[in-house]
Amino acid sequence: DQQVKQNSPSLSVQEGRISILNCDYTNSMFDYFLWYKKYPAEGPTFLISISSIKDKNEDGRFTVFLNKSAKHLSLHIVPSQPGDSAVYFCAAMDQGAQKLVFGQGTRLTINP
Amino acid sequence: GAGVSQSPRYKVAKRGQDVALRCDPISGHVSLFWYQQALGQGPEFLTYFQNEAQLDKSGLPSDRFFAERPEGSVSTLKIQRTQQEDSAVYLCASSLGNTNEKLFFGSGTQLSVL
Repeated sequence: DQQVKQNSPSLSVQEGRISILNCDYTNSMFDYFLWYKKYPAEGPTFLISISSIKDKNEDGRFTVFLNKSAKHLSLHIVPSQPGDSAVYFCAAMDQGAQKLVFGQGTRLTINP
Repeated sequence: GAGVSQSPRYKVAKRGQDVALRCDPISGHVSLFWYQQALGQGPEFLTYFQNEAQLDKSGLPSDRFFAERPEGSVSTLKIQRTQQEDSAVYLCASSLGNTNEKLFFGSGTQLSVL
């Protein structure tokens, strides 16, 4: 039972263009959503988050959009840079439960 | 230390062997989490501590898995009688407060059971 799904295992984008990573969830109790970035041989690092009371949160080149009715969120990176090449994990939580539920990850490759 | 430290970095075990994985969280962090990441998958929750209290162990896959944090800082994840399906990266994470909104992850211990 995959409660958080990232249906694209990989994505390739040209440097300078926009990268859009997508995530779907099934549990309507989730009220907080996060994106993590992971480089090889390192642990995931926090990137950006959004509460269910918002539909958009922006931090520099990164913007997360939340569509609660569709149970869908997306991460936009613009402009994309070579250092953005990594695996990106979407995660969700019910703030009463104290545990993150992760998607399977999307490997983003930024081509020069 | 500056970040979450996990040891060993790699562990190879023969099936049936017991293993112990160590996590040193960021100093002063109240919450500590263990996650298991199978190849090609996202991390899956195992257990959660708030200080020394284990508040949630619902993700531990079997009674062969045991975690402790006796003094509210260092934590150990022990796996008894390891099986091949236990092969995964075990990630430890800590956060300053009582929530996991800003989790800091260690680099993980890669366990291979032969």
